[in-house]
Amino acid sequence: QVRLQESGSGLVKPSETLSLTCTISGGSFSNSYWGWLRQPPGKGLEWLGDIFYTGSTNYNPSVKSRVTISIDTSKNQFSLKMRSVTAADTAVYYCVREYSFSSGYAFDLWGQGTLVTVSS
Amino acid sequence: DIQVTQSPSSLSVSVGDTVTITCRASQNIHTFLNWYQQKPGKAPKFLIYAASTLQSGVPSRFSGSGSGTDFTLTISSLQPEDFATYYCQQSYGILSFGGGTKVEI
Repeated sequence: QVRLQESGSGLVKPSETLSLTCTISGGSFSNSYWGWLRQPPGKGLEWLGDIFYTGSTNYNPSVKSRVTISIDTSKNQFSLKMRSVTAADTAVYYCVREYSFSSGYAFDLWGQGTLVTVSS
Repeated sequence: DIQVTQSPSSLSVSVGDTVTITCRASQNIHTFLNWYQQKPGKAPKFLIYAASTLQSGVPSRFSGSGSGTDFTLTISSLQPEDFATYYCQQSYGILSFGGGTKVEI
């Protein structure tokens, strides 16, 4: 059974860089996209971007200038870095697997989520 | 960008009721529409993809329909474990979600 687990700093200072890692257990990257989403407290979901197992990436234009997603297949991990954070980036961050089918993509596997707070 | 609007934002129901949630896209997204259920403090759970196909293990009381710009999630005979927030998500353009519908007592 494939599982995802987020890890990283839960508190980041304004203007600094948020760094999170997602570890895949019980499986491998295989032929899938792997992504990051976030959910501010009490609000809805926002897709940030994804990465294919080959390293090819896609980003939401709303964060593209500040975000980098990378992959380490040897460790079965993929990571998110978000630069120049502000209080508006405070959210629960989820790593996900993107399931591809004939009518697009869906998020079929989720990590438990990790709260990142931006505060001095 | 494709905007996805859900309605209502919340609704009060009882066990045994039938619930209908609507999702409207700002342009034709064919059947590139998925549904999720989220309970407090938990990650969302994947329910339906391609507008109407149930993910494995999802109870048959859940159903989805629609194409183009208008979509519906229906929960028949609501069970206590179905009280949650439901989100639609489109994948025709930049991946995005509706604002959510909270189903409460």
